Amino acid sequence: GEEVAQTPKHLVRGEGQKAKLYCAPIKGHSYVFWYQQVLKNEFKFLISFQNENVFDETGMPKERFSAKCLPNSPCSLEIQATKLEDSAVYFCASSQSHPQHVVAYEQYFGPGTRLTVT
Amino acid sequence: GDSVTQMEGPVTLSEEAFLTINCTYTATGYPSLFWYVQYPGEGLQLLLKATKADDKGSNKGFEATYRKETTSFHLEKGSVQVSDSAVYFCALPNQAGTALIFGKGTTLSVSS
Repeated sequence: GEEVAQTPKHLVRGEGQKAKLYCAPIKGHSYVFWYQQVLKNEFKFLISFQNENVFDETGMPKERFSAKCLPNSPCSLEIQATKLEDSAVYFCASSQSHPQHVVAYEQYFGPGTRLTVT
Repeated sequence: GDSVTQMEGPVTLSEEAFLTINCTYTATGYPSLFWYVQYPGEGLQLLLKATKADDKGSNKGFEATYRKETTSFHLEKGSVQVSDSAVYFCALPNQAGTALIFGKGTTLSVSS
């Protein structure tokens, strides 16, 4: 599609429950990025993919967070055993490939999934 | 490491006032620089970009010039509208080129 799609729009989970978020990148875009936006607008990078391969996962809290981008499926971000501090808006973005410096191409963002952990 | 510093605001202006939102950066080399805008309840939209020193990005009346001497990329608009009320983020790629680093965002509120 022409836009990055994210589902669900809102997700409420009790502490300790699992949360799974989905992202469909723009068709033809090879790179997918996940960001977490917490209070006061701060964006934290979580993970990026080049097609189905992890490109950079240095931002991921590895104990409870995992992500995948499989062929012909939406990408997913899963949080096992959610904690209160996981409450945030999670944004997915996609961009075209670039031979040298992928982030020189602009990233197109989805509308986000608001996760509330109670 | 690479970083972005922008004025946090909030910035409150009357319609037709002049806008400046300051952004300075620390980076290795000369990365592309971006301004993104987030309207209430929405995701980020690219507002403008500059890919090399002295480039001027412009869109919807907004402008920003990539100044390597002062490591700055200040956002300006000559006459703001109520519809410009949003949060504005300055950004640059991380050193590895694998993600964007965002400033903390500047909230702009324009009243009629």
